Amino acid sequence: GAVVSQHPSRVICKSGTSVKIECRSLDFQATTMFWYRQFPKQSLMLMATSNEGSKATYEQGVEKDKFLINHASLTLSTLTVTSAHPEDSSFYICSAIGQGEQYFGPGTRLTVT
Amino acid sequence: AQTVTQSQPEMSVQEAETVTLSCTYDTSESDYYLFWYKQPPSRQMILVIRQEAYKQQNATENRFSVNFQKAAKSFSLKISDSQLGDAAMYFCAYRTALNSGYALNFGKGTSLLVTP
Repeated sequence: GAVVSQHPSRVICKSGTSVKIECRSLDFQATTMFWYRQFPKQSLMLMATSNEGSKATYEQGVEKDKFLINHASLTLSTLTVTSAHPEDSSFYICSAIGQGEQYFGPGTRLTVT
Repeated sequence: AQTVTQSQPEMSVQEAETVTLSCTYDTSESDYYLFWYKQPPSRQMILVIRQEAYKQQNATENRFSVNFQKAAKSFSLKISDSQLGDAAMYFCAYRTALNSGYALNFGKGTSLLVTP
């Protein structure tokens, strides 16, 4: 089956620094990937839609200058949280569309201290 | 915009019994997809079952089945012969059928507890 990986699975960073999260489709090409954020005991909230070779589309209320998304190839999308603050601590999940289906990565837990 | 409502924040079921999780949605579209996802403590999203709106027959996957009522915009999940491994968060989700490049719209989730 189609597999999506995320790296790292967990990351701790200091307030004010930047952190990059990678999302890879391992055995299929994904022209579209999505980034979700999930706070504890809450649902997944769509942050942005990432299309290969073009600028990401951000959901209302998501700061595009803070959450930089790059989809440079058909198998890789990256999310960079710039100048991270403790309120950015969350679980970030990516998903990729392959053959019309959406496949989820295992998520990345970000803790900002 | 489409909204997905899960009115049961928590549900409990005894092992081997049957439980039904409810989901309602609001849309003006006639063709769309509905999904149930399971999120265990590992937090990996697992697709449980999917239903295409133009299909009247309710989807079934082993112990999991849905009751899809298109006119009522209702999409409940029935878990039969519940097992301890079924304990998880369950999310109902909607996606338009216009284009597979659209994201899923999730409900708030139902936490399912399975007791021995």
